[in-house]
Amino acid sequence: DADVTQTPRNRITKTGKRIMLECSQTKGHDRMYWYRQDPGLGLRLIYYSFDVKDINKGEISDGYSVSRQAQAKFSLSLESAIPNQTALYFCATSGPDRGGYEQYFGPGTRLTVT
Amino acid sequence: QQPVQSPQAVILREGEDAVINCSSSKALYSVHWYRQKHGEAPVFLMILLKGGEQKGHEKISASFNEKKQQSSLYLTASQLSYSGTYFCGTGPIGATNKLIFGTGTLLAVQP
Repeated sequence: DADVTQTPRNRITKTGKRIMLECSQTKGHDRMYWYRQDPGLGLRLIYYSFDVKDINKGEISDGYSVSRQAQAKFSLSLESAIPNQTALYFCATSGPDRGGYEQYFGPGTRLTVT
Repeated sequence: QQPVQSPQAVILREGEDAVINCSSSKALYSVHWYRQKHGEAPVFLMILLKGGEQKGHEKISASFNEKKQQSSLYLTASQLSYSGTYFCGTGPIGATNKLIFGTGTLLAVQP
């Protein structure tokens, strides 16, 4: 079984809809991250969390919110989706292995906003 | 501000060498390298820390020039499995996990 899972894997939604992307991990890591990937722009950090009570904004948090329901679960919400939020979204985790530097990525969620 | 990677793309034959560069306009504490194969998630390759410590891949090496705020990834005797997009991520002092990634370098290794 995958250590970092994301649901859904693909989603098409309409402008203005609220949508939630979910991430779960079985690695026991305390740190979790949300990134978006756009062609030609690489990976950009949206939010990150170092434990359940610690949530921080990344480079591009506007239009997004997150919830850390438990150590193993980190959700990303788009309150009112817009077309330029169409992207590939990755969740990642890191823990004490390799000094906490290595991030393990989930398989990604491809989101299309029409 | 995103680090700048060069070249944007490179095509190699098996067995050839390649160098991918990453430079930042900000002072760095760490540089992280990831590889993403087509349709897959990024996978960690290595990290270079200020002071010269390096942790990561056995067959891929890298350098970190703190003064120039640059890192280079060296792929020697490339294999087909090296194909993918390589990203550098830079971590500022005090926030090594808050990575800012470059736009990537596409590497294609042909038989």
